[in-house]
Amino acid sequence: DVKVTQSSRYLVKRTGEKVFLECVQDMDHENMFWYRQDPGLGLRLIYFSYDVKMKEKGDIPEGYSVSREKKERFSLILESASTNQTSMYLCASSLAGGERIQYFGAGTRLSVL
Amino acid sequence: AQSVTQPDIHITVSEGASLELRCNYSYGATPYLFWYVQSPGQGLQLLLKYFSGDTLVQGIKGFEAEFKRSQSSFNLRKPSVHWSDAAEYFCAVGAGAVRGYGGSQGNLIFGKGTKLSVKP
Repeated sequence: DVKVTQSSRYLVKRTGEKVFLECVQDMDHENMFWYRQDPGLGLRLIYFSYDVKMKEKGDIPEGYSVSREKKERFSLILESASTNQTSMYLCASSLAGGERIQYFGAGTRLSVL
Repeated sequence: AQSVTQPDIHITVSEGASLELRCNYSYGATPYLFWYVQSPGQGLQLLLKYFSGDTLVQGIKGFEAEFKRSQSSFNLRKPSVHWSDAAEYFCAVGAGAVRGYGGSQGNLIFGKGTKLSVKP
């Protein structure tokens, strides 16, 4: 069965802290994605990666960076967390070809105080 | 520009009533179309997808959707809603029949979602 695991369901951090959100998939998918979800705004793509060490900016990359050192793992990094980064973060993965269905993790709700 | 519109932010239906959630898209090529559902505090789960062929597609939990190219629509329907269907529903469109790998071919564009409430 398809599985995308996000390391934390809830995180509380302080302004200025460096924050790591981890995502692991066990489906050997080439593509991985980080989204941010806010009420009324839907899902907004932060970054995506289509291969190890490859990354591309999505719609709202400012204030974020990513790392993909292994195919199964895609990390989202908030270099210096700010209160406006309080949100729900969703990770997804998909195959590079074929149907390219995205499979989602359960999400990490991050609060920055 | 590519976009997905879900005109209804919030819909309330009575349990047992029929449901239709609207989705309109703007996409230059042949699209792949998806409906996802999100229960409170959870990630998104795929309900159904359309890639080609029969324009009426069946999904999980008794949902179906119809692709109408002339109207650029992919509306989600269910004949009889259950209280457990209360959730947020997202329509998404992706590049269909795109050759090659890498780059943004795998990206999806999501609508802003429709929240469904079910009255007992």
